[in-house]
Amino acid sequence: QQPVQSPQAVILREGEDAVINCSSSKALYSVHWYRQKHGEAPVFLMILLKGGEQKGHDKISASFNEKKQQSSLYLTASQLSYSGTYFCGTYTGTASKLTFGTGTRLQVTL
Amino acid sequence: SQTIHQWPATLVQPVGSPLSLECTVEGTSNPNLYWYRQAAGRGLQLLFYSVGIGQISSEVPQNLSASRPQDRQFILSSKKLLLSDSGFYLCAWSGGQRFTDTQYFGPGTRLTVL
Repeated sequence: QQPVQSPQAVILREGEDAVINCSSSKALYSVHWYRQKHGEAPVFLMILLKGGEQKGHDKISASFNEKKQQSSLYLTASQLSYSGTYFCGTYTGTASKLTFGTGTRLQVTL
Repeated sequence: SQTIHQWPATLVQPVGSPLSLECTVEGTSNPNLYWYRQAAGRGLQLLFYSVGIGQISSEVPQNLSASRPQDRQFILSSKKLLLSDSGFYLCAWSGGQRFTDTQYFGPGTRLTVL
């Protein structure tokens, strides 16, 4: 079953922060985050493994709460280059491959 | 390092014409391979995936088919295109690790059916 992302879309001014959530109805083993810029292919950002870890990548970080079956992506001091659509991909115990979420469109303006 | 190629980059085809899109991966062996379609402004729809030569799993019944004639080659085909086949077609590969199997996408093929 497809994970649900929220919000569906968000508009930020440069320098503002944003949080993107990814929720699953099933227990998760890992969560992957991707960013897709307009007209391009999705690019892998990071993976979070079962165990409640948190990861960072420059000013983009993420957390994974396996009890709540959800992950959150944090974008701090956003830059114009952060604009794009963010997808989470989840692995559940019954799936043999990633299932991608509905996507969150992020637009950063001046 | 691993590289994934797709061609062509763009394609404009008339309704009813055949289709062949190709994807190849370099720098790895026995990858899992995937075909996705993305309609404008929409999410990623998994069409087919393959865990080995000749092994194809179809996720969505439609007029498309996939083949894997070689270990690192994945082909998406259609005998007769429909208007609804327009979209951005993405090929991806992964290493096959259970539960942590990151997928890496190719540059995509933008298909317009007129």
